[in-house]
Amino acid sequence: KAGVTQTPRYLIKTRGQQVTLSCSPISGHRSVSWYQQTPGQGLQFLFEYFSETQRNKGNFPGRFSGRQFSNSRSEMNVSTLELGDSALYLCASSFGGLAGNEQFFGPGTRLTVL
Amino acid sequence: GIQVEQSPPDLILQEGANSTLRCNFSDSVNNLQWFHQNPWGQLINLFYIPSGTKQNGRLSATTVATERYSLLYISSSQTTDSGVYFCAGESGNTPLVFGKGTRLSVIA
Repeated sequence: KAGVTQTPRYLIKTRGQQVTLSCSPISGHRSVSWYQQTPGQGLQFLFEYFSETQRNKGNFPGRFSGRQFSNSRSEMNVSTLELGDSALYLCASSFGGLAGNEQFFGPGTRLTVL
Repeated sequence: GIQVEQSPPDLILQEGANSTLRCNFSDSVNNLQWFHQNPWGQLINLFYIPSGTKQNGRLSATTVATERYSLLYISSSQTTDSGVYFCAGESGNTPLVFGKGTRLSVIA
């Protein structure tokens, strides 16, 4: 079956702009999580959505937000972009059970802020 | 939240050599995964292994949950094994926490 897809794959923005990234989970998966990867900070958790509700949130400023739709697709938005937001943004999907679930990652969106 | 430590941070091998990567957790985990990040950035699932031992071809993994560590074994390494290997764990309802990774370079 199809894997996790993310669009766009690459994005170049300037400081102050906003950006929206999209993630389509594996069919049947209800949980979508977002991560930011930078050389300095490694892989950091942004937030998780399950059945259209944010279930967990990482330690990021309010400029980072997300949502999930009824078909489990998710979007994340970053407003007022800063140079430090340049990163690889990865989303992962899973069935979302409370006892731990294997997560599968998409190819990522590489965001460059100039 | 839990802390995840991976060792070694860097590893250089001759093609055909074997290696062991280690992952230590500060607390017990109910979800433990190993990933290989390819040159394009995608995280490829290697193992979902909260406990026990699994094998997939030249790769195998063992998690000793009671001692809070996991090992990834790579046998007869190939140049295509190069890249960064991550382990990650969940504890309770906390999100997946990643280690800093082991950067593996296999030289022909």
